[in-house]
Amino acid sequence: EVQLLESGGGLVQPGGSLTLTCAASGFTFNHYAVSWVRQAPGKGLEWVSAISGSGGSTYYADSVKGRFTISRDNSKNTVYLQMNSLRADDTAVFYCAKDSSVGFRLNYCDYWGQGTLVTVSS
Amino acid sequence: EIVLTQSPGTLSLSPGERATLSCRASQSVTSRYLAWFQQKPGQAPRLLIYGTSNRATGIADRFSGSGSGTDFTLTISRLEPEDFAMYYCQQYGSSPRTFGQGTKVEIK
Repeated sequence: EVQLLESGGGLVQPGGSLTLTCAASGFTFNHYAVSWVRQAPGKGLEWVSAISGSGGSTYYADSVKGRFTISRDNSKNTVYLQMNSLRADDTAVFYCAKDSSVGFRLNYCDYWGQGTLVTVSS
Repeated sequence: EIVLTQSPGTLSLSPGERATLSCRASQSVTSRYLAWFQQKPGQAPRLLIYGTSNRATGIADRFSGSGSGTDFTLTISRLEPEDFAMYYCQQYGSSPRTFGQGTKVEIK
């Protein structure tokens, strides 16, 4: 059974940093890209970032480019999202999702974690 | 980026009725790379449909997808009580991947 478990969310002040972790199980981890998708309170879904199965390619939404860094440790079946210079409009539930193939392009998210809430407020 | 517009915003129907949800793209979606997700309150999204018309693993056959170019449709043939939820379309043929704003299917 595919499982994705996010952790690391919490309350952080504007301008602060936070690192989210996604621990995966139930599939051959390095065979699949992984994405982060966020959802602001009461709002829709926004794709944030993705990383290929090998970790060699990374992708970012313009809204987070230069502030967020995605990485993965295939020996630990884990993906990370390092978030710097956080703003109030980054407040959201962040979901980790398995992509349908090893690359990012032309693939969709087929399994999702339950999400972790990030609140940016003073 | 491709903007997806879903309509209607809210669909009020009774169990057993047919639901038709629309997703319109601001430009043609490459090779029908369009997916549909269902989300219930407090839960993660769940993949229903990929590649415009392919049901994901374990998805009931009352869910079907169709369309091409800029116009796509999710149809629920007979609504079950567990189908009342929010539905999102997403295109993944062009970067960045984008979602529609969602359609809420509520009990009438």
